[in-house]
Amino acid sequence: GAGVSQSPSNKVTEKGKDVELRCDPISGHTALYWYRQRLGQGLEFLIYFQGNSAPDKSGLPSDRFSAERTGESVSTLTIQRTQQEDSAVYLCASSGPQEGPGNTIYFGEGSWLTVV
Amino acid sequence: AQTVTQSQPEMSVQEAETVTLSCTYDTSESDYYLFWYKQPPSRQMILVIRQEAYKQQNATENRFSVNFQKAAKSFSLKISDSQLGDAAMYFCAYRSNTRTQGGSEKLVFGKGTKLTVNP
Repeated sequence: GAGVSQSPSNKVTEKGKDVELRCDPISGHTALYWYRQRLGQGLEFLIYFQGNSAPDKSGLPSDRFSAERTGESVSTLTIQRTQQEDSAVYLCASSGPQEGPGNTIYFGEGSWLTVV
Repeated sequence: AQTVTQSQPEMSVQEAETVTLSCTYDTSESDYYLFWYKQPPSRQMILVIRQEAYKQQNATENRFSVNFQKAAKSFSLKISDSQLGDAAMYFCAYRSNTRTQGGSEKLVFGKGTKLTVNP
């Protein structure tokens, strides 16, 4: 597609349930990022995928959080046993290899997760 | 680890006037990139401007320009002739040049500055 696509755009879930958030990066982009943004706050890095390299998982806040990516395509962020503190917007972003580390990172519109 | 600090949680400006948003960062690296992103209420993060640390010349994009002071680790954004559409959250971000520094290509963000433009 033309941009980074995320689904669902909004999700309300009960505390303790598992949720899956999906990200479709821009076609051809080898790098994919997940960030979390709590209400009125900045962006917290969660995880980064680059091609076939081992992902940088250093930002995942607990073992309830995991993410997968199939090749250079879709990624899924899974939150198990959700808690109210997980309520946030989850932003996905991707970038291409053409310009190297300084290339533009394109963001999706995010998935707004509310845990009740 | 790198950190980015935006000391102004909120700023306001009159339409057509100029406003400067502050950003400082902490790093031991010499080669990196700095960015300003805009986030309107739609939540879509939009790249405003980018600066490469090895370039001394300040980046400009139409009404947007930066004042990059590498020694002071300062990277402020100036918006000239402010327009109502400029109202948004503005985030300053840092990214290592992994070609020379290694490490992760993740963006490190500040907490943001909310800009209000008054008509």
